[in-house]
Amino acid sequence: QLQLQESGPGLVKPSETLSLTCTVSGGSISSSSYYWGWIRQPPGKGLEWIGSIYYSGSTYYNPSLKSRVTISVDTSKNQFSLKLSSVTAADTAVYYCARHQPATVTTDYWGQGTLVTVSS
Amino acid sequence: QSALTQPASVSGSPGQSITISCTGTSSDVGGYNYVSWYQQHPGKAPKLMIYEVSNRPSGVSNRFSGSKSGNTASLTISGLQAEDEADYYCSSYTSSSTLLVFGGGTKLTVL
Repeated sequence: QLQLQESGPGLVKPSETLSLTCTVSGGSISSSSYYWGWIRQPPGKGLEWIGSIYYSGSTYYNPSLKSRVTISVDTSKNQFSLKLSSVTAADTAVYYCARHQPATVTTDYWGQGTLVTVSS
Repeated sequence: QSALTQPASVSGSPGQSITISCTGTSSDVGGYNYVSWYQQHPGKAPKLMIYEVSNRPSGVSNRFSGSKSGNTASLTISGLQAEDEADYYCSSYTSSSTLLVFGGGTKLTVL
């Protein structure tokens, strides 16, 4: 059974860079043609897609965040990562890592989510 | 990137049926049969309930069904149960410069 687990600081200062890692277990991140992505949910609000990376390394980002987001993959560790720069209080949210099916982009596996608070 | 449009809330009594709509454009919902629906209980990660418009993953009750007409997809829950009370989100592949777009979410209240 595939499992995804987010890890990283729960508190980030304004203007700094938010960094999270998703560790995938129960399957290889590079063995199949899936997308691996990040989705966030501000407290009391809806889901927002941040971006995704294809197993080949191609990246896709939400235009509203594109200038601040970088998603990368480390196949040796079976992990993928999110970096979001110049954060503000508006970036406070639960961040989920997830797997998307090829072509359809159906999100079939989710991590449990991790709350990141932006505050000084 | 505009979110897909969902009603903020819907409600129904146990045993009744409800439908949640998800309206997009020809670049997403209307152009592809790649609409998914997710159920989210408080404090939990979303759970896939419907994929590719009308398909149910293994283990999801057949009380949940999906359909699409034009630029609007719909999720129908029949025989409402208390445990169905949750937030529901639609998502779709999009052929714009992005990849994926979510709806704003709908809070289902079982009266």
